[in-house]
Amino acid sequence: ETGVTQTPRHLVMGMTNKKSLKCEQHLGHNAMYWYKQSAKKPLELMFVYSLEERVENNSVPSRFSPECPNSSHLFLHLHTLQPEDSALYLCASSQEGTSGEQYFGPGTRLTVT
Amino acid sequence: AQTVTQSQPEMSVQEAETVTLSCTYDTSENNYYLFWYKQPPSRQMILVIRQEAYKQQNATENRFSVNFQKAAKSFSLKISDSQLGDTAMYFCAFTSLSGGYQKVTFGTGTKLQVIP
Repeated sequence: ETGVTQTPRHLVMGMTNKKSLKCEQHLGHNAMYWYKQSAKKPLELMFVYSLEERVENNSVPSRFSPECPNSSHLFLHLHTLQPEDSALYLCASSQEGTSGEQYFGPGTRLTVT
Repeated sequence: AQTVTQSQPEMSVQEAETVTLSCTYDTSENNYYLFWYKQPPSRQMILVIRQEAYKQQNATENRFSVNFQKAAKSFSLKISDSQLGDTAMYFCAFTSLSGGYQKVTFGTGTKLQVIP
């Protein structure tokens, strides 16, 4: 596979469930990002990992827990979500020290029931 | 803090015509990059064009070009000979080195509809 991949592409979960979103980049980048994209709202940066260290946590509720085990993989662990958390969750990667151009995955469409 | 403003939530253009999408930004940085990203309906977001702030020459990629006015902090995207495949959300973005990593700020997006 090439580029940035995300699994699953669609996820429906109840408010009491625990699930995880996975992102993998095959570009050799050293920074990875989680964004939330809701209808009629700006793209919201959630977390940034640079060189596998979390460098930004943009006031995200604790029911979202990121994990970056290595520079190629990024997870977003979800638990006790709310219906307003339903959105498209985008993963992106970039190479620090360059222009910062971001490469995006296709996203996971999350629905919380 | 950096901000990026796209004042046109929606625009439409006839196929084969030219359209310009506006973007303004605010920053105290001197070295930064500006981008336009395209997100087609139900498809992946991809980079359209990139501009380095230290370059005076406007970037061009085939039918896409920018008008970069550094003093005015303006970065508009011109799409020439619009095609149906240009229908998408377009996001303007700004990045600079901040706190040891590159922080990206996106605008709210402009939804472009190309009409046959």
